[in-house]
Amino acid sequence: DTEVTQTPKHLVMGMTNKKSLKCEQHMGHRAMYWYKQKAKKPPELMFVYSYEKLSINESVPSRFSPECPNSSLLNLHLHALQPEDSALYLCASSPSGLAGVGEQFFGPGTRLTVL
Amino acid sequence: DQQVKQNSPSLSVQEGRISILNCDYTNSMFDYFLWYKKYPAEGPTFLISISSIKDKNEDGRFTVFLNKSAKHLSLHIVPSQPGDSAVYFCAAVEGAQKLVFGQGTRLTINP
Repeated sequence: DTEVTQTPKHLVMGMTNKKSLKCEQHMGHRAMYWYKQKAKKPPELMFVYSYEKLSINESVPSRFSPECPNSSLLNLHLHALQPEDSALYLCASSPSGLAGVGEQFFGPGTRLTVL
Repeated sequence: DQQVKQNSPSLSVQEGRISILNCDYTNSMFDYFLWYKKYPAEGPTFLISISSIKDKNEDGRFTVFLNKSAKHLSLHIVPSQPGDSAVYFCAAVEGAQKLVFGQGTRLTINP
């Protein structure tokens, strides 16, 4: 299995809702990442988990809460989002936790719309 | 301040010819670079990478060139094929785990 899967593919939520995005990989990778991508912009790093511990938080608002229950699974819990949070949310993984050693493998993303 | 810049938002090339995508960076501490390709509604896909100890890396139709003194890298695709039409992102590794992406260049290969 050489892919990163993300569910759901699309999500529409209101500003008072609580929802979660899920990411899974079975490649034995020890680093997992959340990115946010707005239209016509590059992906922007949000969080990095290395060996199931949060290693980087790019000053992301607390309405986004990541969780890494095990080495194969990464969640992003969403609460009280704003319309400007609407974007494509990408998950990625890399073999050793060092982006410079191996490339990051990206999932297809979850298209999030906040009403 | 953008540390990785792709100054051409779009590029159009005839099928069979060479496509050259350019990328500039400002941080001299960057020592590893990657190119990703992205189709609509898909995540980026890794294409090719280069370490700062090299000035060229080749993989099939794709070659990346690195000019450290100019802080410039380029991706050459030859021959270009219709399936190469996509958005191409240049990225640099910052620290141990962070990728810094350029703005992307939309490549269109015309039959």
